[in-house]
Amino acid sequence: DADVTQTPRNRITKTGKRIMLECSQTKGHDRMYWYRQDPGLGLRLIYYSFDVKDINKGEISDGYSVSRQAQAKFSLSLESAIPNQTALYFCATSDVTSGIRNEQFFGPGTRLTVL
Amino acid sequence: EDKVVQSPLSLVVHEGDTVTLNCSYEVTNFRSLLWYKQEKKAPTFLFMLTSSGIEKKSGRLSSILDKKELFSILNITATQTGDSAVYLCAPGYGGATNKLIFGTGTLLAVQP
Repeated sequence: DADVTQTPRNRITKTGKRIMLECSQTKGHDRMYWYRQDPGLGLRLIYYSFDVKDINKGEISDGYSVSRQAQAKFSLSLESAIPNQTALYFCATSDVTSGIRNEQFFGPGTRLTVL
Repeated sequence: EDKVVQSPLSLVVHEGDTVTLNCSYEVTNFRSLLWYKQEKKAPTFLFMLTSSGIEKKSGRLSSILDKKELFSILNITATQTGDSAVYLCAPGYGGATNKLIFGTGTLLAVQP
């Protein structure tokens, strides 16, 4: 079974619609992250959370919001989707007890297309 | 501004060749540097480097970090078609915040 899962895996929606992408993990990690990946731009951090009560903006948070419903669940919402939010979205986790280790584990990704 | 530059952007080689992928970085409160391999799915972890000059090895892959000159290289010897992927460099920064900043990657294509 996958340690980090994302739903849906693919989604096509229209401009102005509200969309929620969900991430669940069974790794027991405290830290969770949302990234988007665009061709030529690499992976960029949208939001990250260190525990259920901690939410932080990344470098490209405008147009997005998140919810950390439990240690194992971290959702990303697009309140009103626009075409330039078409991208591949990844959720990732890391372990706070790993000290200097920055290793992050990625989910399989959600391909979102906004028409 | 924190940044990561990987080179080359893309590379085409034949099976058996040796390749060297480069990563230079400038980040605040550097902690470590990670390499990931991304095929047509999620990035998978290869190496984490924290100290200069200590080479990490895993089979045909090896990597080294130079914290003074702010770069890292990833070497792949005796390449195979299964090595075809995008290789991502990601310095960890920000002290306890445990964040990664990703380069745009090097696309490696290994031809039979």
